[in-house]
Amino acid sequence: KNQVEQSPQSLIILEGKNCTLQCNYTVSPFSNLRWYKQDTGRGPVSLTIMTFSENTKSNGRYTATLDADTKQSSLHITASQLSDSASYICVVSVSGTYKYIFGTGTRLKVLA
Amino acid sequence: NAGVTQTPKFRILKIGQSMTLQCTQDMNHNYMYWYRQDPGMGLKLIYYSVGAGITDKGEVPNGYNVSRSTTEDFPLRLELAAPSQTSVYFCASSYGGGSTDTQYFGPGTRLTVL
Repeated sequence: KNQVEQSPQSLIILEGKNCTLQCNYTVSPFSNLRWYKQDTGRGPVSLTIMTFSENTKSNGRYTATLDADTKQSSLHITASQLSDSASYICVVSVSGTYKYIFGTGTRLKVLA
Repeated sequence: NAGVTQTPKFRILKIGQSMTLQCTQDMNHNYMYWYRQDPGMGLKLIYYSVGAGITDKGEVPNGYNVSRSTTEDFPLRLELAAPSQTSVYFCASSYGGGSTDTQYFGPGTRLTVL
């Protein structure tokens, strides 16, 4: 069964600290893996997209990694800011289809 | 560019009522999608369209209908609302359907069926 699991479910950190969010997937055949940021009451916004051949992708203070062999990805946030408080969603697409498997997200809270 | 816009933002329906959720994009994107997001769950694809006049079912199409008469608009129709359709609905669009095409999401419509 195609699944995307994220951990932790929620996380609280102090402003300025770094954090890493995890994503494990069992999607096959794999096409690409995406990380989205979703602010409360808003639609998801794309942070990174990685295909099978890419193992790291950065977008400002956000760095995503992908290990296609172990089917794991992580999103590292550097020097967190209050505006980073949001849900972070990992999404894996199924090759040859328009199907995207969404994880349930990690809720991040950054405190001053 | 306004991006992807959705109306209404909120709606309460009674069981059995019908309504249309509107979605418009001004980026000249070919692909458009409708998702629903239930509390504590990942987004699920309801319907998608690869161009004007072409639509297809996603994972959870039952109880919904769509049409795509123009590139810009992709309305979602609920014919006989049921409590199970209480959810947040997101419309999204992308230029293509390729592995590196970014999906742009609207702000969502929060629907409650009582």
